[in-house]
Amino acid sequence: QKEVEQNSGPLSVPEGAIASLNCTYSDRVSQSFFWYRQYSGKSPELIMSIYSNGDKEDGRFTAQLNKASQYVSLLIRDSQPSDSATYLCASGYSSASKIIFGSGTRLSIRP
Amino acid sequence: NAGVTQTPKFQVLKTGQSMTLQCAQDMNHNSMYWYRQDPGMGLRLIYYSASEGTTDKGEVPNGYNVSRLNKREFSLRLESAAPSQTSVYFCASSEAEYEQYFGPGTRLTVT
Repeated sequence: QKEVEQNSGPLSVPEGAIASLNCTYSDRVSQSFFWYRQYSGKSPELIMSIYSNGDKEDGRFTAQLNKASQYVSLLIRDSQPSDSATYLCASGYSSASKIIFGSGTRLSIRP
Repeated sequence: NAGVTQTPKFQVLKTGQSMTLQCAQDMNHNSMYWYRQDPGMGLRLIYYSASEGTTDKGEVPNGYNVSRLNKREFSLRLESAAPSQTSVYFCASSEAEYEQYFGPGTRLTVT
């Protein structure tokens, strides 16, 4: 059973601080990893994808991948109240053309 | 370029009624997916279609059927709705196990 695990939260972070979201996955052959943001009542929105070990930065977001530890993280710098949402981690399952989602971490940015 | 569209946006059914949820994408993706999301829960895969002409069961297929009508369209049918199928349904499309893009969702209530 392929699994993606996340702490459900809520994670409360003060405005302007760094929010750190973590995720582990069980399938060693996964090659693609994704972070989605989902606001309440809305559909998931892709914010980052990462395929290689190391860091990938896009604006205030940095995704980190460590394949040896089967660990993916998302850092949000200078957190804003608009970052308050549920963040879903996902890994690609190449032999079946689908991705496996974690259950999400709820992030709350307090002013 | 509309991305992924879903109809209807909202639906109320009585137990035992049937309905079909429609999904279309204009990104020329081969793969399409149907998920359900219950309050406070993650995404659960119902069915997916890795390519035109193929469909496969996901995690929670019971009570549902799907049709991949062509490359653009993937429909989900509830033959005899039950209260346990009250949920938000999301359609998504992708190129194999890579980034998935979601539609706006259908909010279904079965009374």
